[in-house]
Amino acid sequence: AQTVTQSQPEMSVQEAETVTLSCTYDTSESNYYLFWYKQPPSRQMILVIRQEAYKQQNATENRFSVNFQKAAKSFSLKISDSQLGDTAMYFCAFMSRYSGGGADGLTFGKGTHLIIQP
Amino acid sequence: ETGVTQSPTHLIKTRGQQVTLRCSSQSGHNTVSWYQQALGQGPQFIFQYYREEENGRGNFPPRFSGLQFPNYSSELNVNALELDDSALYLCASSLAPGLPPEETQYFGPGTRLLVL
Repeated sequence: AQTVTQSQPEMSVQEAETVTLSCTYDTSESNYYLFWYKQPPSRQMILVIRQEAYKQQNATENRFSVNFQKAAKSFSLKISDSQLGDTAMYFCAFMSRYSGGGADGLTFGKGTHLIIQP
Repeated sequence: ETGVTQSPTHLIKTRGQQVTLRCSSQSGHNTVSWYQQALGQGPQFIFQYYREEENGRGNFPPRFSGLQFPNYSSELNVNALELDDSALYLCASSLAPGLPPEETQYFGPGTRLLVL
């Protein structure tokens, strides 16, 4: 079974600053996908960014980028030019290739509460 | 907005009762997954349905069951409710099971269940 660990329960930065959220995971598999989801107070989980484990290049989506270190099993999220609307819970998630026709779903960390101060 | 809707938004039940939660998938998506999110925790995978069949299950007891209908909407049923079942229940739809991008899951706003 895989596990996902987010070691920062809460972070607070000033608007326009850059912030990095940490995530480590443990798996014996070689083919998998990693995700960052954002959950604002409205509760709806929103996909921020996705990374395929077989790709060396780090994924980027506008102000959001990841630092994927496969050997270290590390997957951090960098938010540049942070905005008030970035305030939310951020969850790191893992998904493996399923075998035998079944699905394992996403395995989530416990989340990091990010607060952007004006 | 992801196009995934859930009903009801809030629900209060007493221990021992049964509850049904509903999810309407994003248009064109034939796969739905259900998750339980306890307060202060990340979501935990309950099960997934693909074309009306259960396609995978997490570590949840049989009193958690589901259905997927021909229009790909879905229900989560929980029997014999326990206090620990109090949580936010999320459903997520995807284009197909398998690997992203098709399997990328898009979440609904959730149903908050309180068991007294």
